[in-house]
Amino acid sequence: GAVVSQHPSWVICKSGTSVKIECRSLDFQATTMFWYRQFPKQSLMLMATSNEGSKATYEQGVEKDKFLINHASLTLSTLTVTSAHPEDSSFYICSAGGRDSPLHFGNGTRLTVT
Amino acid sequence: ELKVEQNPLFLSMQEGKNYTIYCNYSTTSDRLYWYRQDPGKSLESLFVLLSNGAVKQEGRLMASLDTKARLSTLHITAAVHDLSATYFCAVEPKGTYKYIFGTGTRLKVLA
Repeated sequence: GAVVSQHPSWVICKSGTSVKIECRSLDFQATTMFWYRQFPKQSLMLMATSNEGSKATYEQGVEKDKFLINHASLTLSTLTVTSAHPEDSSFYICSAGGRDSPLHFGNGTRLTVT
Repeated sequence: ELKVEQNPLFLSMQEGKNYTIYCNYSTTSDRLYWYRQDPGKSLESLFVLLSNGAVKQEGRLMASLDTKARLSTLHITAAVHDLSATYFCAVEPKGTYKYIFGTGTRLKVLA
């Protein structure tokens, strides 16, 4: 079945630094991928829609200059958290899928900003 | 504002008992998904409901969709400890390809 790989699984960084998270579709091409954020014991919040070859579409309230999304190929989307702060600490999950099949989710990246 | 609400938010139940989790949403949609999440893990797809009246069953879980009432249910039959997890419904608003997640239901099955 379709697999979405996310890397790294967890990362610790210092305030002010940037972190890049990769999301790859392993056995299918994904023109669209989605990035979610989940705070502890809360639901998943859609951050942005990543579109291959074009700009990402951000949800209301999500800072596009802080969360940079690049979808340069049909199998790879990246999310870069720029100038990270402790409040950016969260679980970030990407997803991708075909039009008539459910989205498949990556294993998530736990980001801790110290 | 689009809302996807689950009820209850927390559920503690004895093994062997039955219970239903409800998912109400406020937009037009005929696509609804149920996922399971274990602590510290990502999401596991449980059910895909793509039309009004759809019913799917897998083991002790059964999901249904009523698009007119904008309601989906996840029924648990004879619960076992292994079902302890957080369950999310996700709605795909008509005309979009986005999933909007429900508030989640944390289920704990007591032995």
